Amino acid sequence: DAGITQSPRHKVTETGTPVTLRCHQTENHRYMYWYRQDPGHGLRLIHYSYGVKDTDKGEVSDGYSVSRSKTEDFLLTLESATSSQTSVYFCAIFDPSAGGKKQYFGPGTRLTVT
Amino acid sequence: AQTVTQSQPEMSVQEAETVTLSCTYDTSESDYYLFWYKQPPSRQMILVIRQEAYKQQNATENRFSVNFQKAAKSFSLKISDSQLGDAAMYFCAYRSGLGNEKLTFGTGTRLTIIP
Repeated sequence: DAGITQSPRHKVTETGTPVTLRCHQTENHRYMYWYRQDPGHGLRLIHYSYGVKDTDKGEVSDGYSVSRSKTEDFLLTLESATSSQTSVYFCAIFDPSAGGKKQYFGPGTRLTVT
Repeated sequence: AQTVTQSQPEMSVQEAETVTLSCTYDTSESDYYLFWYKQPPSRQMILVIRQEAYKQQNATENRFSVNFQKAAKSFSLKISDSQLGDAAMYFCAYRSGLGNEKLTFGTGTRLTIIP
């Protein structure tokens, strides 16, 4: 939806390894977000970006870093993955021009840390 | 910080009947937006309906409508003429009107449609 792709869509990795998830948008929107979804918690904000090289922390940012060197790409990095980071990760963009100023979500990445 | 509470982890409704999903929120802000998102088994997050806090009129989108009670900080979703395709997780979400556009979500309600 709204030209958002996430890669990879599924990943299994071992504890202690670095992992990078990529979010790519084709719409040139300023705001991008990373959320994680866990049972019983809904979606929680990890980090967000309001422009190239402009990022800020969300409510569950510990253990994660982000980078945005181009408008279209927002990367989420787990420097040393832990089992508690097993989750489904969603990227989102905010489209201020859409009717009602909507936030659109990517298809999600299921990450399993063993 | 804002919080969003969905007190019904699961709901079920007979096909063609009406069901209401509850959501309450806590905020000290006067300018904000409220949303209902649907997440079917495909995992895709789909925006169902949106309400601006400054609007007194309840939002409506086809079979979906909301009951927005600002003083009570309540934002319920009513689904009329329930269909099998409505089966999904439903999330209530809050967004401040002050910028950065980030969403705060409730924990979700799983809706089952009984044929």
